[in-house]
Amino acid sequence: QVQLVESGGGVVQPGRSLRLSCAASGFTFSNSVMHWVRQAPGKGLEWVAVISYDGTNKYYADSVKGRFTISRDNSKNTLFLEMNSLRAEDTAVYHCTKDGYSYGVFDNWGQGTLVTVSS
Amino acid sequence: DIQMTQSPSSLSASVGDRVTITCRASQGISNYLAWYQQKPGKVPRLLIYAAFILQSGVPSRFSGSGSGTDFTFTISRLQPEDAATYYCQKYNSAPITFGQGTRLEIK
Repeated sequence: QVQLVESGGGVVQPGRSLRLSCAASGFTFSNSVMHWVRQAPGKGLEWVAVISYDGTNKYYADSVKGRFTISRDNSKNTLFLEMNSLRAEDTAVYHCTKDGYSYGVFDNWGQGTLVTVSS
Repeated sequence: DIQMTQSPSSLSASVGDRVTITCRASQGISNYLAWYQQKPGKVPRLLIYAAFILQSGVPSRFSGSGSGTDFTFTISRLQPEDAATYYCQKYNSAPITFGQGTRLEIK
């Protein structure tokens, strides 16, 4: 079955960087469009970024554009999110997801990794 | 960017009640609309996509309708396990956007 396992979260000071990873299994990763979605504590869901199956096309939410970079290594079935210039408002659980029925329909979610930006 | 507005933001209903949540898009999105259920401490669960198609394994008391800018999510006979927060989501193109969520409490 599909498994998505995020890692790399932690406590980081404002302005610093962090790199999240998502290990994928149970499906053909190299054929799948992948996304990051985040949820701040007690708040709603916010889509962060998407990357095409081959890594050539990427789109970002305005809130992270220019600071976050999504990438993938299809040889290792792994998705990444490089987060720079972190702000307090980036504090959230970050989930990786994959397209299901259609682009942007998320039928599988990782459990997420918590990023806390605090001094 | 297209904004998704859900209403109400919260509601309380009794077991057996019919519950309706609405979602409005700031621009037409055809039927590129999904609904998710999220229980505390859990990841979101896909319930409906393409505005009305029930995801496999989802009970038939859940349903969706609408097209263009106005959408409706209905639970026909509320069950205790339906206590959760529900989100609509538009997905036809980036940026993907979610509604702010509707918290459903069981009386």
